[in-house]
Amino acid sequence: NAGVMQNPRHLVRRRGQEARLRCSPMKGHSHVYWYRQLPEEGLKFMVYLQKENIIDESGMPKERFSAEFPKEGPSILRIQQVVRGDSAAYFCASSPLLGGEAGANVLTFGAGSRLTVL
Amino acid sequence: QKEVEQNSGPLSVPEGAIASLNCTYSDRGSQSFFWYRQYSGKSPELIMSIYSNGDKEDGRFTAQLNKASQYVSLLIRDSQPSDSATYLCAVIGGGATNKLIFGTGTLLAVQP
Repeated sequence: NAGVMQNPRHLVRRRGQEARLRCSPMKGHSHVYWYRQLPEEGLKFMVYLQKENIIDESGMPKERFSAEFPKEGPSILRIQQVVRGDSAAYFCASSPLLGGEAGANVLTFGAGSRLTVL
Repeated sequence: QKEVEQNSGPLSVPEGAIASLNCTYSDRGSQSFFWYRQYSGKSPELIMSIYSNGDKEDGRFTAQLNKASQYVSLLIRDSQPSDSATYLCAVIGGGATNKLIFGTGTLLAVQP
């Protein structure tokens, strides 16, 4: 079990470019979450997805940010026209199928993708 | 009011002592509570989960939950320098979605 895989681990973009961050959940996990962590700050919830569905995007900025989790392939967090304030660590986490057991809510995190905007 | 509040620290304890980390949450309907540890530059890793009032022990770690007071804590016994990290309290609220909300974390420094 390879765990939650994120790539790229480090990404450098110039202002105005696009950033695409990928996340493959753990085997058997069908729920994906994206969090952003600014330097010296906590983890901020961005979006929660299941396959082909956005369940909760209340933490996503209204503009330039989008996320998807297609039927095949990894989840993608896309940031268009990046600005310096987008520089942060972006963590993906996955959990098992949502069920009645409390343990189904446990999130496992990937190593993160660190975006630097020049 | 923040959804999950923690003292940012740093909390400094001598090696071998008990470290006590505290967290309060605002959503009274919350049912699931977690403590994650995050070393600098690394991703969060789960230490403990707790779902019922009372204490839950796992090795040197004890999580305590008091839903009436909306309070959850983590005790680390026999603290080691390797325990030095940021400890994140996280709560799944009582809303319709299963999102995990984190506090800003408490930095723990264990002095040798």
